[in-house]
Amino acid sequence: DAKTTQPNSMESNEEEPVHLPCNHSTISGTDYIHWYRQLPSQGPEYVIHGLTSNVNNRMASLAIAEDRKSSTLILHRATLRDAAVYYCILRDRGETSGSRLTFGEGTQLTVNP
Amino acid sequence: GAGVSQTPSNKVTEKGKYVELRCDPISGHTALYWYRQSLGQGPEFLIYFQGTGAADDSGLPNDRFFAVRPEGSVSTLKIQRTERGDSAVYLCASSLGTGGLNEQFFGPGTRLTVL
Repeated sequence: DAKTTQPNSMESNEEEPVHLPCNHSTISGTDYIHWYRQLPSQGPEYVIHGLTSNVNNRMASLAIAEDRKSSTLILHRATLRDAAVYYCILRDRGETSGSRLTFGEGTQLTVNP
Repeated sequence: GAGVSQTPSNKVTEKGKYVELRCDPISGHTALYWYRQSLGQGPEFLIYFQGTGAADDSGLPNDRFFAVRPEGSVSTLKIQRTERGDSAVYLCASSLGTGGLNEQFFGPGTRLTVL
C-alpha cells in the first residue's frame, strides 16, 4: 500500500479555518485519497474523498495538488466537536485491492475555545 | 437508522481464555470488516467479508484469531488462548459493497483487556 505522511498534531482556535496536510508521494494513478476522522472513544467516520479535482461536502473540503503527491483537508470553521484524529488514507479503486483501509497514525487536532 | 453495533462494549478476560466479539452491521450492507486498534495507533485491518465468505483474512495475526459471518449479516470475531498482547479496541465496519469507493461505517468498538 502507498504510504501517507501527516503531522502528529495540530492546533486551532474555534471558528477559524484549519488546513490539515498529507503527503503521499508514492500515490498510484488508481489511488483515491480518503479522509476519515476518529472522535474520542468512537470508531472512525468518513469525511471526504477525491481523485484529482478538489472536492467539497458539508463536512469539509479536499484540495489535491496537481501532481497528486499531496493533499489538504480544510475545515472552514473549526468547532470544538471537530477535535479528533484525522487520517489520510489512499485506497485503490479495485473491488478487492481497495477494500481495506490502511490507517497511519493520523493527525491529532486540538481545537481551543 | 441504526448504525453498526458491537457487543460487548468492554470485555475483561484472563490470559489463556477464549473470547467472542460480536458485530451487527448496517442492514443491507454486504461487506463487513474487522480492525484492531492499539493505544495511540491507527486501526489495523484484520479481515473482511463479502457476504458469508472471508474475502481477505491476511490481517489476522495468527491462527488464534478466527471470524465468521454464517448468514451474511452478524459477524463474530473469535480469539482463542488470549494473550496480554491481544488487548486492544476491536472495531467493526460495514459498507454497501467492496472496493475503494465504498464508505465504511464503523461501530464504537469493543475494548478487550487481557489480564
